[in-house]
Amino acid sequence: EAQVTQNPRYLITVTGKKLTVTCSQNMNHEYMSWYRQDPGLGLRQIYYSMNVEVTDKGDVPEGYKVSRKEKRNFPLILESPSPNQTSLYFCASSFQGSAGYTFGSGTRLTVV
Amino acid sequence: AQSVTQLDSQVPVFEEAPVELRCNYSSSVSVYLFWYVQYPNQGLQLLLKYLSGSTLVESINGFEAEFNKSQTSFHLRKPSVHISDTAEYFCAVRGQDSSYKLIFGSGTRLLVRP
Repeated sequence: EAQVTQNPRYLITVTGKKLTVTCSQNMNHEYMSWYRQDPGLGLRQIYYSMNVEVTDKGDVPEGYKVSRKEKRNFPLILESPSPNQTSLYFCASSFQGSAGYTFGSGTRLTVV
Repeated sequence: AQSVTQLDSQVPVFEEAPVELRCNYSSSVSVYLFWYVQYPNQGLQLLLKYLSGSTLVESINGFEAEFNKSQTSFHLRKPSVHISDTAEYFCAVRGQDSSYKLIFGSGTRLLVRP
């Protein structure tokens, strides 16, 4: 089944403790992206990647890092999480030449 | 660059009544348009999309949206809603250029009451 898999689905952590949210797709998509969803703000793009080793900042990149060492994986790294990064995170992927996107199921992160 | 405006943050409606969720966009290039739905405590699901061709697009569960280029709108409509349609709805736009970026509106919460 074609899908984007995010892990974990839920995570509660403490301020300053480094964490990684994984994202993997099995569709050989070139493009991958991370979004965060906050009430009243919709979804905002954090980082995106056009292909392996090609990443760039989205609209709200502060406090986040990403890497794209393999085509299928696009992990989101929070080096020193803070409470304002408490949010619902979505990973998405897309195929070059296609307008469609496939979204993961989301990761609800709480930083205390 | 593109932007999306969803004017209504919440729309309460009675069951079996019609509903319209408004979406306006701005873009300097032609666009693809999407509506996504998020049921409580769930992820995003694609409801319908406009890529090209007929300006009226329909979903399998009775929603429809019409692309209006002159008014830069892509409003979502349903003639008769059900309790199960209670969800948050997001309008999104992507430019028909080399950018893959999908830009979302702030969302509209549809609350269907019995």
